[in-house]
Amino acid sequence: AQSVSQHNHHVILSEAASLELGCNYSYGGTVNLFWYVQYPGQHLQLLLKYFSGDPLVKGIKGFEAEFIKSKFSFNLRKPSVQWSDTAEYFCAVINDSKLSFGAGTTVTVRA
Amino acid sequence: NAGVTQTPKFQVLKTGQSMTLQCAQDMNHNSMYWYRQDPGMGLRLIYYSASEGTTDKGEVPNGYNVSRLNKREFSLRLESAAPSQTSVYFCASNDGVLGQPNTEAFFGQGTRLTVV
Repeated sequence: AQSVSQHNHHVILSEAASLELGCNYSYGGTVNLFWYVQYPGQHLQLLLKYFSGDPLVKGIKGFEAEFIKSKFSFNLRKPSVQWSDTAEYFCAVINDSKLSFGAGTTVTVRA
Repeated sequence: NAGVTQTPKFQVLKTGQSMTLQCAQDMNHNSMYWYRQDPGMGLRLIYYSASEGTTDKGEVPNGYNVSRLNKREFSLRLESAAPSQTSVYFCASNDGVLGQPNTEAFFGQGTRLTVV
């Protein structure tokens, strides 16, 4: 069973709408958390990462994520999406040298 | 600085053939990984290597073998390819130190493998 869960398989929204993608993990102890994006036909790119300190992390392209330790969650947010945000988004966790990914969420932004 | 280099980019195999996917990183990273990506299933970990000389099974190791030749290189071998192994394969590496800001994974460009 996967140890990283992404709640939404496919999200469709209009430009300027707000986006929130859920991610939960099941590891205890120290973790590093990531969100990656994969645009059509391309390889994975890092959006943002959490390693310690401030639980609200800001990444590239206006994305941010909040680490809530008590909920084992690391949800991704963007206040206003653009058509160019159409992509697949992956949450990932490093625990004890093992890097595991969620199943991904496909985001389609309609113009 | 090339990062993570993965070869080949494309490959077509017949059922039962064998092949080795090569991966090399030039960032002096401790940890290296092999994933397969299939539609709707995200990236599933096949094998990983936390350090030179060690390898461990991931979620879907059956049908694969790996070799951590040295700190730079981590190869994935399919001894007898099956159509179920048709997928896109990604190699990744990271420095393997938790809690540090530079701990992120860097990915190769991927290998699109088709087994017929």
